[in-house]
Amino acid sequence: DQQVKQNSPSLSVQEGRISILNCDYTNSMFDYFLWYKKYPAEGPTFLISISSIKDKNEDGRFTVFLNKSAKHLSLHIVPSQPGDSAVYFCAASARRNTPLVFGKGTRLSVIA
Amino acid sequence: DGGITQSPKYLFRKEGQNVTLSCEQNLNHDAMYWYRQDPGQGLRLIYYSQIVNDFQKGDIAEGYSVSREKKESFPLTVTSAQKNPTAFYLCASSREGHGYTFGSGTRLTVV
Repeated sequence: DQQVKQNSPSLSVQEGRISILNCDYTNSMFDYFLWYKKYPAEGPTFLISISSIKDKNEDGRFTVFLNKSAKHLSLHIVPSQPGDSAVYFCAASARRNTPLVFGKGTRLSVIA
Repeated sequence: DGGITQSPKYLFRKEGQNVTLSCEQNLNHDAMYWYRQDPGQGLRLIYYSQIVNDFQKGDIAEGYSVSREKKESFPLTVTSAQKNPTAFYLCASSREGHGYTFGSGTRLTVV
């Protein structure tokens, strides 16, 4: 039973346009959400996070939106750059110090 | 510079052998984790430890063992009981209320 779902295995976007990566979750106890970026043969690196008391968090080109009623979050990257091409993982936790639950990832390709 | 180090980067194991993957951190983080990545499967939790001398099983602990004798170290042993050990293994650490810092991973291949 997958608690964090990333239903799009891949996404292609033109350079300069917006990339939107989606994530759905089923566990209503999740209260902290994160996005990680991963290049091949490397560990994931933290990108941005949001707690359930917010509906939006922004950091430069990256914005995460949280819709608690729909149990849905999205990551917006604008403008997209070729260096953004990577696998993006959505993750969630139910309370402090519990392990993160990861989605299966979405491979983003930004085409020049 | 603080960080988390996994070694070796590549590891080959013969059928029936146990192998141990190293994970060391100097971030003074209390919690440490082991995940496994397979193509199309995302990251799946093997074991985690929130404090020295204590650890808990994750979703796919069968065929694996860990120890946490020091705060800095959380080695993972892949035993011969693990039927499909070929994968990319990721170690991570965290402090309370924050996200993870990941190591660069170990690719284990059964030959």
